[in-house]
Order: sequence, then structure tokens, then C-alpha cells
Amino acid sequence: KAGVTQTPRYLIKTRGQQVTLSCSPISGHRSVSWYQQTPGQGLQFLFEYFSETQRNKGNFPGRFSGRQFSNSRSEMNVSTLELGDSALYLCASSHGRSSGANVLTFGAGSRLTVL
Amino acid sequence: GQQVMQIPQYQHVQEGEDFTTYCNSSTTLSNIQWYKQRPGGHPVFLIQLVKSGEVKKQKRLTFQFGEAKKNSSLHITATQTTDVGTYFCAGPANSGYSTLTFGKGTMLLVSP
Repeated sequence: KAGVTQTPRYLIKTRGQQVTLSCSPISGHRSVSWYQQTPGQGLQFLFEYFSETQRNKGNFPGRFSGRQFSNSRSEMNVSTLELGDSALYLCASSHGRSSGANVLTFGAGSRLTVL
Repeated sequence: GQQVMQIPQYQHVQEGEDFTTYCNSSTTLSNIQWYKQRPGGHPVFLIQLVKSGEVKKQKRLTFQFGEAKKNSSLHITATQTTDVGTYFCAGPANSGYSTLTFGKGTMLLVSP
């Protein structure tokens, strides 16, 4: 079965612009989580969506937002980009049924460079 | 807040040598998961440990979950160049649901 698909894979933006990243989870998975990965900070949780509702949120500013559609596909948006937003943005899907015990399947990521 | 710490941050070994990475949580975990990320790749799930004192093996990889369910280790016997990558441990975040708190990972380099 198809894995987690993220688009675009690479993108370059300038400070002040905004960006939208897309994630299609594994068929049947209703939970989509987003993580930011940087060399210095590792994997940091952004937010999780389940059945179109955000049910968990990490400690990121309001410039970071997301949503989930009825087909479980998810998008995240970053507005007013800053240099520090340069990172690999990883989407992960899971069944989302067992709190704390869900195994995550990651997509290949979207590598964002902010100039 | 909840913290998951891993040591060492980085290790370089000769092919055939053993390798161990350690993971410690500031809180008791209901389970712990391990992921591997190859250079340029994305994290891939390796295993989940649930029981106190649990030991699981996958070929040359041995995973342990501590008795107090606050620490874990991954041991690789006789490393190969295919073992190169960063190994992450992750535990359920206090906030629940599918959220995991990841350690910063141990990067393993293997020289032939």
C-alpha cells in the first residue's frame, strides 16, 4: 500500500513569504502529525490532526497552522517566514486509535529553505 | 516538561565493532519506540517496547526497556555499513494521543 506522500519535496522561499505543505497519509490512517526537524533541535512536534480536528499542538508560534480534510489529507502553513524556519518538515500518519501507543509512519519530508 | 535524552550524540565505529545508544526519559513511559533515519532520509519505525524489562531482538539489533520504564537501549552487534544513520528513541508525550517526544538521536557512522 502507498506510503505517506509529502509535497513539495524541496522549496526555497524568502523571508516574509508564506508556504503551504501538503501530506497524504496512508489509506485508512486518520491521524496526521507534523514535526519540524533541524540539526540543532532534532524532531519537534508541531501539531496533530485526527478526523479533521486538531487534537494536539506543540510549542510553536501562531505563524504555524494546519488543517485536515475529510479524506485525511493534511496541510500545514507557515506565514511570515523567518530564516529560522528553514528545516525539514515531516508528516507522519498513524491509526490514531491508541493514545500513546501509535506507531508513526513518516513521509519523505518537505525541505524548506528560507533566504 | 517531559524530556527524552539520548547518548551518545554521535559515534564512529569500524565495521564489525559493536554499538550501543542509550535513551533516558524524565518520566515513566507506557512504551518506547525506536526509529532509524538514514542520511538524507526520513525516520523509519524499528520497534516498540511495552513491558518493563522487555528485550527484543531483530537480527543484530537488541532493544531493551528498563525495569522502571524510564530508560531504554539499542545495541547493534558487529556493525555493518548499512547500519549508518541516526537512531531515535521516542516516548508518548504527556499531551497524549499520537504525539511522541523524540530524543535528539545518536548518529552512527561505520567505516569499512
